[in-house]
Amino acid sequence: EDQVTQSPEALRLQEGESSSLNCSYTVSGLRGLFWYRQDPGKGPEFLFTLYSAGEEKEKERLKATLTKKESFLHITAPKPEDSATYLCAVQASTGNQFYFGTGTSLTVIP
Amino acid sequence: DTGVSQDPRHKITKRGQNVTFRCDPISEHNRLYWYRQTLGQGPEFLTYFQNEAQLEKSRLLSDRFSAERPKGSFSTLEIQRTEQGDSAMYLCASSPRGEYEQYFGPGTRLTVT
Repeated sequence: EDQVTQSPEALRLQEGESSSLNCSYTVSGLRGLFWYRQDPGKGPEFLFTLYSAGEEKEKERLKATLTKKESFLHITAPKPEDSATYLCAVQASTGNQFYFGTGTSLTVIP
Repeated sequence: DTGVSQDPRHKITKRGQNVTFRCDPISEHNRLYWYRQTLGQGPEFLTYFQNEAQLEKSRLLSDRFSAERPKGSFSTLEIQRTEQGDSAMYLCASSPRGEYEQYFGPGTRLTVT
């Protein structure tokens, strides 16, 4: 069964304290792995798509990496405005559904 | 603003009533998805359209839920005989042709009393 597990559930960082969020996945043939940011009461905002192991994508303080079993979202020198829930999703090559994890709630303290 | 729009943003209804939500995707996006999200959970897939064709529905989706996308543009999601367990945020997303990333709307928050 296709599934996604994210850890930790919640993370509190001091401003400038770098860290990583983990997304472990099980899927029957990966079409793509997707990272989203979600602010309270809003829809998810697309960040990155990763298609194959070894691929990396960067955007400002965020960097996403992918292996055959997991993905990491590295946050370098975070700022309070990076506080949000970060969601990971996978799509299998055999279907159209996207499977989302439960997210990591990130709080960056000034 | 050329993003995905959803209407209404909030809906309060009594148990047993029918409700309908509308989603307007980004122009020329041919793929459209509906999701349900409850507090502390990730979005849960409900159904998928490519143009006007509904190609996939969640096996967990009750027969009380139905969705349409006439003419391959906007889409509607109807819930009949609402139950308290239907209370959630309903999200719509669209994807451009040839790409897989999804662009989400702001959601419709449904409260069933």
